[in-house]
Amino acid sequence: ETGVTQSPTHLIKTRGQQVTLRCSSQSGHNTVSWYQQALGQGPQFIFQYYREEENGRGNFPPRFSGLQFPNYSSELNVNALELDDSALYLCASSQTGTFNTGELFFGEGSRLTVL
Amino acid sequence: AQKVTQAQTEISVVEKEDVTLDCVYETRDTTYYLFWYKQPPSGELVFLIRRNSFDEQNEISGRYSWNFQKSTSSFNFTITASQVVDSAVYFCALSEGPNDYKLSFGAGTTVTVRA
Repeated sequence: ETGVTQSPTHLIKTRGQQVTLRCSSQSGHNTVSWYQQALGQGPQFIFQYYREEENGRGNFPPRFSGLQFPNYSSELNVNALELDDSALYLCASSQTGTFNTGELFFGEGSRLTVL
Repeated sequence: AQKVTQAQTEISVVEKEDVTLDCVYETRDTTYYLFWYKQPPSGELVFLIRRNSFDEQNEISGRYSWNFQKSTSSFNFTITASQVVDSAVYFCALSEGPNDYKLSFGAGTTVTVRA
């Protein structure tokens, strides 16, 4: 186990709704990244948070937004859900700084189905 | 732009056979990092290795070995004497820097090891 926990593990929403996914990073990690993994594909980078600020964003529209809290946990919010948002959403934590090893620690993901 | 290509979609072997997974990457950067991750059915991505662009030494870790060749932009992964527990999806990924966790993943190779 990586120590990264995500909730909920599964959820079903309908088109147009909003969803919030949560991630608790591994103890001591200050950076959280979010990835979207559609079925049968590799993960796609959504954005990264470091010190509560967005620190890099992939090719995702503004309806994908996030937060990082002082305890380094994070949320991913998606507004106006579309069918193509159905995917496994993976959170990864890491340590940016002196002790950086370049390794990402992933959670087991939140599987979102949009009907 | 970065790009990672894993040409093999699925590989099926019998236990104890060796299996090699191919990874070809494209980048304009001179400094970059290559990764391999394993994704078992549970969903979380498990870190296997990170290699920087200045270190072309091959690496062996138990039954796993990696062959990095900058001349062909390849970072191939071999599992020796495969076991059923090696069955998973394996992803090759690329990033631009040590604190840049914007990984670009390939589409993955599904490895099935039959007893």
